[in-house]
Amino acid sequence: EAGVVQSPRYKIIEKKQPVAFWCNPISGHNTLYWYLQNLGQGPELLIRYENEEAVDDSQLPKDRFSAERLKGVDSTLKIQPAELGDSAVYLCASSSRQGQGNEQFFGPGTRLTVL
Amino acid sequence: EDQVTQSPEALRLQEGESSSLNCSYTVSGLRGLFWYRQDPGKGPEFLFTLYSAGEEKEKERLKATLTKKESFLHITAPKPEDSATYLCAVGTNDYKLSFGAGTTVTVRA
Repeated sequence: EAGVVQSPRYKIIEKKQPVAFWCNPISGHNTLYWYLQNLGQGPELLIRYENEEAVDDSQLPKDRFSAERLKGVDSTLKIQPAELGDSAVYLCASSSRQGQGNEQFFGPGTRLTVL
Repeated sequence: EDQVTQSPEALRLQEGESSSLNCSYTVSGLRGLFWYRQDPGKGPEFLFTLYSAGEEKEKERLKATLTKKESFLHITAPKPEDSATYLCAVGTNDYKLSFGAGTTVTVRA
């Protein structure tokens, strides 16, 4: 079974430029998450989707960040314009509602560097 | 507010030297306590879910235990390939995961 796929793996941009990250979750997983991970810290949730619906975006900085999950499968996270403080690893995860634990499975992440 | 604290921040072990990592938590409505392993440059890899106090789970040289306020990850006779950052997270009824900062384990041959 293929895991969560993310691209690009690395991105270097100048501040004020836009950037987008793409995620393809595990087949059949209806829940998709975007996390931000700073160096030496655990992941922090940005947004959670149930199918096409963003059910928790309370931690998403909506002035510059946006996300979409068309057709309830792939998702894109966008930052416009990027700031120096946005340099971090952006992780995508997916889970299935089946089972008690709702374990989340992560992709390899996109490492963003804003210069 | 949900809080997860992991200790120590870093752990250096000699190959074969067993040790334990601690994860203490405060949460309302615990849905599960999750352990992940993260290698440099990679995403977290799922290891275990624990649901209730007294539960234990094992995988190779790793054993996770859970009490009402904390979880332990025991590493028995570690090998260099066990070197990684181990993340603990609490899951709540709203399907959120709150992560600790992790413990970075280095095992020397």
